[in-house]
Amino acid sequence: TQLLEQSPQFLSIQEGENLTVYCNSSSVFSSLQWYRQEPGEGPVLLVTVVTGGEVKKLKRLTFQFGDARKDSSLHITAAQPGDTGLYLCAGAPGGGSNYKLTFGKGTLLTVNP
Amino acid sequence: DVKVTQSSRYLVKRTGEKVFLECVQDMDHENMFWYRQDPGLGLRLIYFSYDVKMKEKGDIPEGYSVSREKKERFSLILESASTNQTSMYLCASSSSRDRVDEQYFGPGTRLTVT
Repeated sequence: TQLLEQSPQFLSIQEGENLTVYCNSSSVFSSLQWYRQEPGEGPVLLVTVVTGGEVKKLKRLTFQFGDARKDSSLHITAAQPGDTGLYLCAGAPGGGSNYKLTFGKGTLLTVNP
Repeated sequence: DVKVTQSSRYLVKRTGEKVFLECVQDMDHENMFWYRQDPGLGLRLIYFSYDVKMKEKGDIPEGYSVSREKKERFSLILESASTNQTSMYLCASSSSRDRVDEQYFGPGTRLTVT
């Protein structure tokens, strides 16, 4: 069974600070996705990374896929209250079973004004 | 934009009632999923379907069944609701035609069983 560990579980910071959250596994994934979920809503896809070592930027968010495709990180620069939410990573196992993702339990981020 | 809709945002049912949760997607996706999300446990896959009338059990199928009669619609059925099925239920869809299977989620149904 593939597992994804996310850290930290909870993060509370002030507006303007930088932060990094991590998604780690002992398994290799063919791709990895990051989602943000606001309270009472469904997760919204932010980005998909596919290639080992890949870096993708989405405004103030930077996503990195590890060289071995076992881990990923999300860095937020100058966090804003609108970044508050649950950040989930999800890995696709590959080998014809890409449709069944493995989800981490998430990092709950609170950005205080 | 992919749109996944769920029939209800909030639902309150009594123990023993039969409950239907409906999900509709408008992007002609082959794959559809039902998850439940509970604090500390994350998202857990209940059932998924990769084609019309096809279904496979996920990690926690007990107490649930599903139906997929049309490509765009995937229903989750609680045959006899119990209090331990109080949860947030999320539907998602994805395309098998893409190289990566990005899942798109609906807004969720918060179900309370009393």
